[in-house]
Amino acid sequence: GAVVSQHPSRVICKSGTSVKIECRSLDFQATTMFWYRQFPKQSLMLMATSNEGSKATYEQGVEKDKFLINHASLTLSTLTVTSAHPEDSSFYICSATPVVADQETQYFGPGTRLLVL
Amino acid sequence: QKEVEQDPGPLSVPEGAIVSLNCTYSNSAFQYFMWYRQYSRKGPELLMYTYSSGNKEDGRFTAQVDKSSKYISLFIRDSQPSDSATYLCAMTETSGSRLTFGEGTQLTVNP
Repeated sequence: GAVVSQHPSRVICKSGTSVKIECRSLDFQATTMFWYRQFPKQSLMLMATSNEGSKATYEQGVEKDKFLINHASLTLSTLTVTSAHPEDSSFYICSATPVVADQETQYFGPGTRLLVL
Repeated sequence: QKEVEQDPGPLSVPEGAIVSLNCTYSNSAFQYFMWYRQYSRKGPELLMYTYSSGNKEDGRFTAQVDKSSKYISLFIRDSQPSDSATYLCAMTETSGSRLTFGEGTQLTVNP
């Protein structure tokens, strides 16, 4: 149980284009999903907290107009990197917290590697 | 000072060794403590989850939490080459809230 998927697993795009990354909880419902980015040999950096049916909460320094987050259902959140640039190249990982009593932790997706040329 | 301190390593041990991974933290409000394992180019995988102080064992893995010392540990017995990965400690105050991560410790188990 507690499986989180991400799609795509890897994407290469040209500078200036937009890229959408999907995060799905496959066998549980999640009111809260989190989006992280991770640079090589570094820990995860929280970008935003996504709550179903409401606006995402962004961490300081993360541009909400550049990283659009939509959490339309209890099993799906999307992150859209708008007008991507080479500096946006990174490993993007989502996580989800189950809506079940005693389930206090987060389960992570496999990550999406974005390369902007 | 970071909220969570974790030695980044790298740590290299022979197969079969007992591995001890540790984190210290400064926020006394943390109540939920987790250890994640992350293989290269993969998402973190939950290994152990502990609420408040105490020990928890699962197979070759044992997690310990000492809230009085603000110190948590993960022990791996009979380590295997397949245990080679980065181990991240994480903690949070309340259910569903953001996790605070350590920097991760890179472990290599040599056959």
